[in-house]
Amino acid sequence: KAGVTQTPRYLIKTRGQQVTLSCSPISGHRSVSWYQQTPGQGLQFLFEYFSETQRNKGNFPGRFSGRQFSNSRSEMNVSTLELGDSALYLCASSLTLAGGNEQFFGPGTRLTVL
Amino acid sequence: QQQVKQSPQSLIVQKGGISIINCAYENTAFDYFPWYQQFPGKGPALLIAIRPDVSEKKEGRFTISFNKSAKQFSLHIMDSQPGDSATYFCAASKNGGSQGNLIFGKGTKLSVKP
Repeated sequence: KAGVTQTPRYLIKTRGQQVTLSCSPISGHRSVSWYQQTPGQGLQFLFEYFSETQRNKGNFPGRFSGRQFSNSRSEMNVSTLELGDSALYLCASSLTLAGGNEQFFGPGTRLTVL
Repeated sequence: QQQVKQSPQSLIVQKGGISIINCAYENTAFDYFPWYQQFPGKGPALLIAIRPDVSEKKEGRFTISFNKSAKQFSLHIMDSQPGDSATYFCAASKNGGSQGNLIFGKGTKLSVKP
């Protein structure tokens, strides 16, 4: 079974721009969660989508948004990029709602904001 | 407020030795405790996980010990190998519901010397 895939793997943007990242979960998995990883803050939860609905949201500004499609694929969008948004963005999929269940991570998208 | 505290930050072990990483949590509602292994440039990979109804779980060279009363859990890597050199993260989450996101520790960078 193919793992979680994320595209693109690397992105370079400038301040003020917006970016869209994509995540395809493991086949059959219905939940997709997004995390931001930085050296200073570690791994922080952004949001979780299940059945095309946002079920949970972390403590990030409204510039960070996401959505999930009927095939469980998910996208996250960051608008008005700031230097501090430079990070590895990871998505994780799970068979059902993430809580208490195995979550499998993709390789991440490395975003650099200049 | 850091809900999951992980120590040590870094660890150097000789090949064949035992690596021990500790985590402590605050929220007694947590009931799922996974460990992830991350290599540079890769996403975190689920290594082993435990639920609070057992005090120990072993998979190959990896063992989780869980102490519910102390709100602590640890990862033991027996017969550590250079290939185990990676960053290890403990995490915790609540079962089901709308707040089941993983709360991660800050990570432990393990170096196994040949």
